[in-house]
Amino acid sequence: GAGVSQSPSNKVTEKGKDVELRCDPISGHTALYWYRQSLGQGLEFLIYFQGNSAPDKSGLPSDRFSAERTGGSVSTLTIQRTQQEDSAVYLCASSSTTGLAGNEQFFGPGTRLTVL
Amino acid sequence: SQKIEQNSEALNIQEGKTATLTCNYTNYSPAYLQWYRQDPGRGPVFLLLIRENEKEKRKERLKVTFDTTLKQSLFHITASQPADSATYLCARASAGNMLTFGGGTRLMVKP
Repeated sequence: GAGVSQSPSNKVTEKGKDVELRCDPISGHTALYWYRQSLGQGLEFLIYFQGNSAPDKSGLPSDRFSAERTGGSVSTLTIQRTQQEDSAVYLCASSSTTGLAGNEQFFGPGTRLTVL
Repeated sequence: SQKIEQNSEALNIQEGKTATLTCNYTNYSPAYLQWYRQDPGRGPVFLLLIRENEKEKRKERLKVTFDTTLKQSLFHITASQPADSATYLCARASAGNMLTFGGGTRLMVKP
């Protein structure tokens, strides 16, 4: 079946502009995660959705970042007034459940964001 | 805060040898650790999970150990092949299964 998809694959924007990144998780997966990976760095957790519960936004670096998940499926990560330090690869992942059961996460290919 | 540390230096080994990658964590032991492989331009791919009550887990040529005394996990690839060249990420889970990743170790297997 189809894996996690993300769009666009690459996004170049000017400083100060807003951007929207999209994630389509695996069908039926209730948990969805956004991570950010800067050049040569590990993944940094941003936000997590589980079913209809309020999202865990504890990883968002500033109030310029927000995310939505509509209908428990597709998610959009929005970055307002982009800054050069926002340049990174933004990765989305989904899993079939949550808790400490250790379910593997399935990652999309990421969106490479470049802020000029 | 919980941290995961991996050797940031690349590991270069000869084909056929065993590659050993290290993952160290701070503070309390996580319920489990996960290992992922990441190729350039791609998202991470899950490899293995080991729970804190498991000493060792195997999958084909892969072996993971978990030492709660040393606060360390070792990831082994036996009979390494050039196709094993990639970055390997260790991750611990927090509540809700959010993963805290280490910086990853790049493995280069030379023919």
